[in-house]
Amino acid sequence: AQSVTQPDIHITVSEGASLELRCNYSYGATPYLFWYVQSPGQGLQLLLKYFSGDTLVQGIKGFEAEFKRSQSSFNLRKPSVHWSDAAEYFCAVGGMLNAGKSTFGDGTTLTVKP
Amino acid sequence: KAGVTQTPRYLIKTRGQQVTLSCSPISGHRSVSWYQQTPGQGLQFLFEYFSETQRNKGNFPGRFSGRQFSNSRSEMNVSTLELGDSALYLCASSSAGGETQYFGPGTRLLVL
Repeated sequence: AQSVTQPDIHITVSEGASLELRCNYSYGATPYLFWYVQSPGQGLQLLLKYFSGDTLVQGIKGFEAEFKRSQSSFNLRKPSVHWSDAAEYFCAVGGMLNAGKSTFGDGTTLTVKP
Repeated sequence: KAGVTQTPRYLIKTRGQQVTLSCSPISGHRSVSWYQQTPGQGLQFLFEYFSETQRNKGNFPGRFSGRQFSNSRSEMNVSTLELGDSALYLCASSSAGGETQYFGPGTRLLVL
């Protein structure tokens, strides 16, 4: 079975501070890993994805994530947070094992303090 | 390219009624997946259609059904609505299903 754990339900950071959101996954084959962001009442916007190759992937809005197979982790980072980054962030795992089905974590809500 | 579109965006129904939601995928995408999002259960996979065939199914009762047309547009239907069906229903499309999914804005369903 595939699963995703996001240990932090809620994180608060000051504007300009760095950010790291944690994600751990379980998948029975080569995982495809994703981070999405959701603003209230909206759909999910893809921030970045990892399929293979370089374990450090760059995404939109200045986000990056690092895949660590030994730790089954795919943590999201941003060096300097902006107030507009306040939203809910979801980590997801998918792949060819269950095509078309992504499994999502419960999400991490990010609050940005001025 | 136009993104994934979902109609309607908002819907209010009463218990016992049925509802049909529509999703138009990104042009050229053949896989459409549906998800239910609620505060208590998070994002849960409903089903996925690829080339008009249901290829994958989540753990939802038979009241939840779907179909896909030859142009890849998809509909999902919920019969005999219950209060617990109130949720944001998200549709996602991808070219073949196993890789990147792109999400629509969702349909917010309220069951009274």
